Amino acid sequence: GQSLEQPSEVTAVEGAIVQINCTYQTSGFYGLSWYQQHDGGAPTFLSYNALDGLEETGRFSSFLSRSDSYGYLLLQELQMKDSASYFCAVRPVGGNYGQNFVFGPGTRLSVLP
Amino acid sequence: KAGVTQTPRYLIKTRGQQVTLSCSPISGHRSVSWYQQTPGQGLQFLFEYFSETQRNKGNFPGRFSGRQFSNSRSEMNVSTLELGDSALYLCASSLTQGSGELFFGEGSRLTVL
Repeated sequence: GQSLEQPSEVTAVEGAIVQINCTYQTSGFYGLSWYQQHDGGAPTFLSYNALDGLEETGRFSSFLSRSDSYGYLLLQELQMKDSASYFCAVRPVGGNYGQNFVFGPGTRLSVLP
Repeated sequence: KAGVTQTPRYLIKTRGQQVTLSCSPISGHRSVSWYQQTPGQGLQFLFEYFSETQRNKGNFPGRFSGRQFSNSRSEMNVSTLELGDSALYLCASSLTQGSGELFFGEGSRLTVL
């Protein structure tokens, strides 16, 4: 089966850098995705790591290490609007190749002024 | 380009009733997947459709069903509603089945009394 773990809450101040970790136990997956969800809103795609290493998209970077069963989302130059929940997700190998993602429990990020 | 559209946005039902939720994916997207989001269980995969065929199914009872039409629009149905079915039901579409990126709708918030 698939199991992902994330810290439940993270707090940081504006302008700071924060790292949200995602550790997993899975028999195999195609890649690690990250989503942001504001209260009352829809999850929004942030990044996808198909391979090990770092992916950078503006202020957001994501990292994957399959050998360590570990990934993280790095948010730089934090802004108040970054206050939201962040989810990691994997698409497991097996079954029919598709969009059957397994999501982590989510990390609630609070950015303080 | 219009995003993923879900209707209705909010609905209240009583135990034993059934409900049908609708999802219109982004134009050109042929893969549609459904997720249930609750505070206790987080985001859980329900099922996925591609070219009118169910490709994957999550671990939900048979009361949960869905279908996809030739224009890629999808519906999901929950019969014999239980209190525990109260949740935000999210629909997501993607261009291909291999994409690590899902585009979510705003969701249908179902309350079962």
